[in-house]
Amino acid sequence: QLQLQESGPGLVKPSETLSLTCTVSGGSISSSSYYWGWIRQPPGKGLEWIGSIYYSGSTYYNPSLKSRVTISVDTSKNQFSLKLSSVTAADTAVYYCARLPAEIQLLGIDYWGQGTLVTVSS
Amino acid sequence: DIQMTQSPSSLSASVGDRVTITCRASQGIRNDLGWYQQKPGKAPKRLIYAASSLQSGVPSRFSGSGSGTEFTLTISSLQPEDFATYYCLQHNSYLLTFGGGTKVEIK
Repeated sequence: QLQLQESGPGLVKPSETLSLTCTVSGGSISSSSYYWGWIRQPPGKGLEWIGSIYYSGSTYYNPSLKSRVTISVDTSKNQFSLKLSSVTAADTAVYYCARLPAEIQLLGIDYWGQGTLVTVSS
Repeated sequence: DIQMTQSPSSLSASVGDRVTITCRASQGIRNDLGWYQQKPGKAPKRLIYAASSLQSGVPSRFSGSGSGTEFTLTISSLQPEDFATYYCLQHNSYLLTFGGGTKVEIK
C-alpha cells in the first residue's frame, strides 16, 4: 500500500524559507508512471496546487508561487522536497504531498499524504 | 492558466436528498477532471476521475458527468457520511487548478 508522509518544521519565521520533505513508501518515486506534487490549504480555505515534479527532475510550478518555490527529488531516498522562500503569514497552511499518475499527460491526484500544518509566525 | 469556477460554495441538504455540484472551466479541458471529498482534518479523497469514472471503493450514489467546460458531481441520495466539502480538480494542463470547493451541510 502506497504511503506518503510529510515531514519538516511546524513553525517558520517570516521572511525565512519553509522546507518540507515527502517520503514515499510502498512504491518507487522513480516510476515513469507518476509525477509527485505539493498542495496546500490555508486554515478554513480551499486547496491550492503548488507544484509537481517527475523523477527526472522536470518541474511545473503554480505561476503565483513560482518565484519562491523549488521542488526537488532524491530518488536514492525515495523522497521529494519543497522549499518556499520569503514566507509570510499568508503561507500558513496544511501542506500535502501527493502522487499524480501520468500517461502522456497527467491523470489527476490519486494518493495524498496526511498533511502537515506549517505556521508562519515570529 | 485554466480557472475552475465551482458552485454553489455551500449548500444545506437533508439525508436522502439529491445533490448536484457544478464546476466550469475557463477553457475546454476534455474530460480531464476529478472530484474530491474532504472531511475536517483529513486529506482529500478522490471520488471521480476522468469526469465520470467512479473511483474503486466509492459508493455508486456518487456520479460525475460533463466534458469540455461544464462538469457535474451528483450524489443521488445524500447519506450522513457525505456531509463534507467537495472540490473539482482540472489536470488538462500540467498547471493544475482546483475549484473553490462546495461545503455540504446538514439542513
